[in-house]
Formats: sequence, C-alpha cells, structure tokens
Amino acid sequence: TQLLEQSPQFLSIQEGENLTVYCNSSSVFSSLQWYRQEPGEGPVLLVTVVTGGEVKKLKRLTFQFGDARKDSSLHITAAQPGDTGLYLCAGPNYGGSQGNLIFGKGTKLSVKP
Amino acid sequence: SQTIHQWPATLVQPVGSPLSLECTVEGTSNPNLYWYRQAAGRGLQLLFYSVGIGQISSEVPQNLSASRPQDRQFILSSKKLLLSDSGFYLCAWNPTGPYGYTFGSGTRLTVV
Repeated sequence: TQLLEQSPQFLSIQEGENLTVYCNSSSVFSSLQWYRQEPGEGPVLLVTVVTGGEVKKLKRLTFQFGDARKDSSLHITAAQPGDTGLYLCAGPNYGGSQGNLIFGKGTKLSVKP
Repeated sequence: SQTIHQWPATLVQPVGSPLSLECTVEGTSNPNLYWYRQAAGRGLQLLFYSVGIGQISSEVPQNLSASRPQDRQFILSSKKLLLSDSGFYLCAWNPTGPYGYTFGSGTRLTVV
C-alpha cells in the first residue's frame, strides 16, 4: 500500500525564520505534488516534481524530489505570515484509476508576525 | 479559462436528512472528477471518482453515493445522513494523468 508520510505534523515559527517540511514514502513515485490549503478553502497546487533529484523554486519556496523518487522536501526561506496554511504532498495512486492521487496528512504551518 | 464551482459553502443538516452537493466544471470537456472528504483539516480521503458520464467508482463503502448526470457535473448524495458524515467535502478535477488537481472551494458539512 502506498503511503505518504509528512513531517512535522505541526510547525509554529516566527516571521523571517527558515523551515523545511518533508514528505516520505517507501514507494517510488513517478511524480509528487505539493499543495497549500488555507482554512475553509480547497488545496491549491504549488508544484509538481517529476525527475529524481529535481529542484524547483517558487519565489521563497524550494521543492526537491529525492534521487530515488521516494521523498520530497519543501524549504521556505524567510517565512511570512502569508505562508501560514496546511501543506500537503500527493502522488499517483497506482492502484487506482488514471489521475487518482493519494495525499499525505499534511504539515500545518503557522507563521507568527 | 477552466474553473470549478462547488456549492453550498456550508451546510448544517440533521441526522437522517438527505444530502446533495453539486460540483460543476467549466472550460473543459470529459474531465476526470473526484470527491474527497477531509476530516479535522487534515488528510484527504478519496470517496468517488468519475472518468465520464454515468461512470462512478467508489473507493470507500459508506453512506454516500455519487452521480455524473452530465459531462461537467458531479453530484454527491446521501439518503440519510449520519453524524459521521460531517466533514469538509472537496470536489476536484484534472485534465489527464496524475499531474495536478484543481479543487473547488469545498463544502463544510455539519450533521447535528
């Protein structure tokens, strides 16, 4: 069974700090995605990584896909209160129909001013 | 442009009452459509998915059902709600393959 485990579950930091959150699995994924979800809203896709070792940057956010394609990390530089939210990673569910994704339980990030 | 609409935003229903949540997509045809439930602001559980009109696959046996009467319409229903049906329901679609979902804004369902 494919599982995506995210850590830490909760993270509370001050504005300006750096942080890294992780998404790990014992399974190989052809791609992984990161979403950010704000309270009362649906998740919004941030990035998709598809190549082992790939690094993608989105302003202050840096996403990395592990060489073995079993894990990914999200690093935020100089966090801001607007970064607050639930960060979810997701990957293809090979046991399901085309397009099905499985999700980790997320990291809930709080950035205090 | 491609957009997804989901309503209502919030719903409070008594135990035993029926449920109908609607999701529509604009700007695309023959999308893959999904219903997810999210408990306590955490992980997403896939409930149903559909690859075309009248084609519904259920991932988890439960008190809910889904229908796809039109290409861009996906409906989540229940005949009799249970307390355990409370949660945040999300509709999503993706163009082709596992390269990213676009989610609706969600429905917060509270069964009382």
